[in-house]
Amino acid sequence: DTAVSQTPKYLVTQMGNDKSIKCEQNLGHDTMYWYKQDSKKFLKIMFSYNNKELIINETVPNRFSPKSPDKAHLNLHINSLELGDSAVYFCASSQDVGGLNEKLFFGSGTQLSVL
Amino acid sequence: AQSVTQPDIHITVSEGASLELRCNYSYGATPYLFWYVQSPGQGLQLLLKYFSGDTLVQGIKGFEAEFKRSQSSFNLRKPSVHWSDAAEYFCAVGFQGAQKLVFGQGTRLTINP
Repeated sequence: DTAVSQTPKYLVTQMGNDKSIKCEQNLGHDTMYWYKQDSKKFLKIMFSYNNKELIINETVPNRFSPKSPDKAHLNLHINSLELGDSAVYFCASSQDVGGLNEKLFFGSGTQLSVL
Repeated sequence: AQSVTQPDIHITVSEGASLELRCNYSYGATPYLFWYVQSPGQGLQLLLKYFSGDTLVQGIKGFEAEFKRSQSSFNLRKPSVHWSDAAEYFCAVGFQGAQKLVFGQGTRLTINP
């Protein structure tokens, strides 16, 4: 049983489209995250949610809107996609806030390609 | 601002050889330090972490890392690498109250047979 699962694994779309990436964790964790990994492998936090409440919003354009319907799910909706949004997006979860005291569990990533 | 530097983008070692991956961080407070590994097409997995106590920490898969406060470093080592160690390795730093980890750029490890 996959601990953190995200769908789709690959997403190819045109500029200007709106798309969503879904994430679910079955670990009972309180905190979930979205990370973006660019083409140079830099991994940067975008958002974190603790028990459905936004904790971190790391100066991400407001075209990106996370939604947490419950603490096991954190979805990422992206409006008006731009070329620069092409990246691998990772969902993660942890029992604590921040992943300092408890390790982060990562999904296998969603490769987004904007054409 | 907190930052993490992994000076080596790509390292190649022969199978059975020793390995050291470098990591330096910048910030004044006592850090939480981590090494994560990313296999191709997979998410990241924790190898080891340090916050306090013995500055030499042991992790999974035979890896260890040493915290050197004077050098602001947390280098990852393995005495003898295996072909299955080929992956991307990320150093990460967190600080109490920051509620997030800051990751380095990663070091890609290639193993020669």
